[in-house]
Amino acid sequence: AQSVTQLGSHVSVSEGALVLLRCNYSSSVPPYLFWYVQYPNQGLQLLLKYTSAATLVKGINGFEAEFKKSETSFHLTKPSAHMSDAAEYFCAVSEWSGNTPLVFGKGTRLSVIA
Amino acid sequence: GAVVSQHPSWVICKSGTSVKIECRSLDFQATTMFWYRQFPKKSLMLMATSNEGSKATYEQGVEKDKFLINHASLTLSTLTVTSAHPEDSSFYICSARVPDIQTLNGNTIYFGEGSWLTVV
Repeated sequence: AQSVTQLGSHVSVSEGALVLLRCNYSSSVPPYLFWYVQYPNQGLQLLLKYTSAATLVKGINGFEAEFKKSETSFHLTKPSAHMSDAAEYFCAVSEWSGNTPLVFGKGTRLSVIA
Repeated sequence: GAVVSQHPSWVICKSGTSVKIECRSLDFQATTMFWYRQFPKKSLMLMATSNEGSKATYEQGVEKDKFLINHASLTLSTLTVTSAHPEDSSFYICSARVPDIQTLNGNTIYFGEGSWLTVV
C-alpha cells in the first residue's frame, strides 16, 4: 500500500522568501510522485512529477522538488514566493502501472504575506 | 490546454433529483478514469475507478447505487449522483492517465476542472 504525509496543513511565508512544503511517502514499489496545486474554487493543476529519471525535478512557476529515496521524501521548494503562489498544494504517489489511482496527502495551504 | 474536461463546472439541484457529471479526455483515449470527491478544506478521496466497457470499481464506503459511473466510450466517463441529498454537496473531480509518449518512461495524471455540486 502507498501513502503520503504532508507535514504542516498550513504554511505561511513572506513574499520573496523561500517556500518549502514537505512531503514524505511510503511505497512498497518504486514510486511515481506528483505535486499538484489547487487555487480556490478550481480543479487541480500539475506542478511537477518524478518518474524515476532525474531526482531533481523542475516544474512550472519556478517550483522544483527533489526525490530522496533514503529519506522517502519529495519536498517542494521555490526560492522566492509570489503572492500568486497562495493556494493549496497536494503531494501524491502512484505506482507505475496502467490503472492505479493517485494517493493524495491531506494538502498544505500556502499563504504569502506581503 | 486542458487534456481532461469536466462538465458542468457548477450545478445546483433539488434534493431527491439526480444529476450527471461528465468527464471527457481530449485528444487521447482513456481506458481508465478516476473519480474523486473533495470535502471543504479536505484532501481528495478516491470514489471509484471507471473502466471503459466494464463496471466501475468502487472504494470501500462508496455507495454504488447512489454514485453511478458509466464509461461508455474511450473518451467519456459519467458520474450520476442519484436521489441527491444535501450531504452529497461537494466538489467532484475526475482524472485520467496520459501516457508520456515521448519518454515512454511514465505517465501523467491530469485532472478535470472539477464540478461543484450543491443540493438544496
